[in-house]
Amino acid sequence: GAVVSQHPSRVICKSGTSVKIECRSLDFQATTMFWYRQFPKKSLMLMATSNEGSKATYEQGVEKDKFLINHASLTLSTLTVTSAHPEDSSFYICSARGQGSYYGYTFGSGTRLTVV
Amino acid sequence: AQSVSQHNHHVILSEAASLELGCNYSYGGTVNLFWYVQYPGQHLQLLLKYFSGDPLVKGIKGFEAEFIKSKFSFNLRKPSVQWSDTAEYFCAVSGNNRLAFGKGNQVVVIP
Repeated sequence: GAVVSQHPSRVICKSGTSVKIECRSLDFQATTMFWYRQFPKKSLMLMATSNEGSKATYEQGVEKDKFLINHASLTLSTLTVTSAHPEDSSFYICSARGQGSYYGYTFGSGTRLTVV
Repeated sequence: AQSVSQHNHHVILSEAASLELGCNYSYGGTVNLFWYVQYPGQHLQLLLKYFSGDPLVKGIKGFEAEFIKSKFSFNLRKPSVQWSDTAEYFCAVSGNNRLAFGKGNQVVVIP
């Protein structure tokens, strides 16, 4: 149980275009979803926290208008990287937390974004 | 906000050696503690977690961790590692609806 599906796993896009990444909880309702960015040789950096039906809470230094997060249902959250630039190239990972403490935090498999 | 520190980013050891990875955190409130593992080319997996109760937590694949509240620590241990334990290990602390990660330990086990 507690599976999170993240799609796509890899994406290459041209500079200036937008890319949407989906994160789905397959067998539980995710009341809270988290989006992280992982740089090479570095840890996961929390970008934002989203609760279903409300606006996402962004961490300091993360541009809200650039990284649009939508959490419209209890099983789906999306991250849209708008007007992508090469410096946005990174590994993005989502995490979902269900109700109660049983599920802990379940991670998606990540999305490797390359902006050319 | 909570912060997590992991030491000895790169660890190289031989099979059958014992492994201990340190994790210290700073947060004034109630915390839940986690260790995650990321094998090469794979996504993060939960190794073990501590919410309450016995401070010695046993996880999958022979790993265990001990929560020492007075030291704000949650060190990960495995008595005898295998080549398949080569991976990156992350300590994480949750509190106030946030999950903060340490910088990770890159562990390489030599056959």
